[in-house]
Amino acid sequence: DAGVIQSPRHEVTEMGQEVTLRCKPISGHDYLFWYRQTMMRGLELLIYFNNNVPIDDSGMPEDRFSAKMPNASFSTLKIQPSEPRDSAVYFCASNSGNTIYFGEGSWLTVV
Amino acid sequence: GQQVMQIPQYQHVQEGEDFTTYCNSSTTLSNIQWYKQRPGGHPVFLIQLVKSGEVKKQKRLTFQFGEAKKNSSLHITATQTTDVGTYFCAGPGAGGTSYGKLTFGQGTILTVHP
Repeated sequence: DAGVIQSPRHEVTEMGQEVTLRCKPISGHDYLFWYRQTMMRGLELLIYFNNNVPIDDSGMPEDRFSAKMPNASFSTLKIQPSEPRDSAVYFCASNSGNTIYFGEGSWLTVV
Repeated sequence: GQQVMQIPQYQHVQEGEDFTTYCNSSTTLSNIQWYKQRPGGHPVFLIQLVKSGEVKKQKRLTFQFGEAKKNSSLHITATQTTDVGTYFCAGPGAGGTSYGKLTFGQGTILTVHP
């Protein structure tokens, strides 16, 4: 299995630009999570889906953040407009049992 | 809301020394999970503990779940340079199940001097 696949791996963008992060979960997994990791705040859960339906988005910091899961094999996390404080590593993860598998992360820098 | 506190934040050891990180929850947990993140990498699942007082071993790593299911520890015997990384504990968030949202501790960053 290829694991959780995220793209892009690295992105540098200017403040105000739209950023779209993509995720392909492990096939057959019915839960998908978006996490953000920073030195200051650690690992934060932003939103998670079950069977493509958003279950809890209480971690989404602002209306500038949105996430979709149009089908079982694809999810996006969008930031519009981006701000320097959004700079972080964004992890997508999926599971179908007790073990959560993380992708390698998207390293976002907003300048 | 539920909080998972982890100590210490940093630990520097000489290769061959032991290492322990502790995790405490403000609420009783149905289970607790441990993850390891190498520098520049992503969190990787290590183990899940479910039963009160449970102890599990993985080679040089020993995991314990407290009797009250509110605390846990990870102990590494005779650390090696390959043990370098950040170790996280995580418990189900409020209202969550094993499959749902996890609350992660802040992690313990382990450095090992050869």
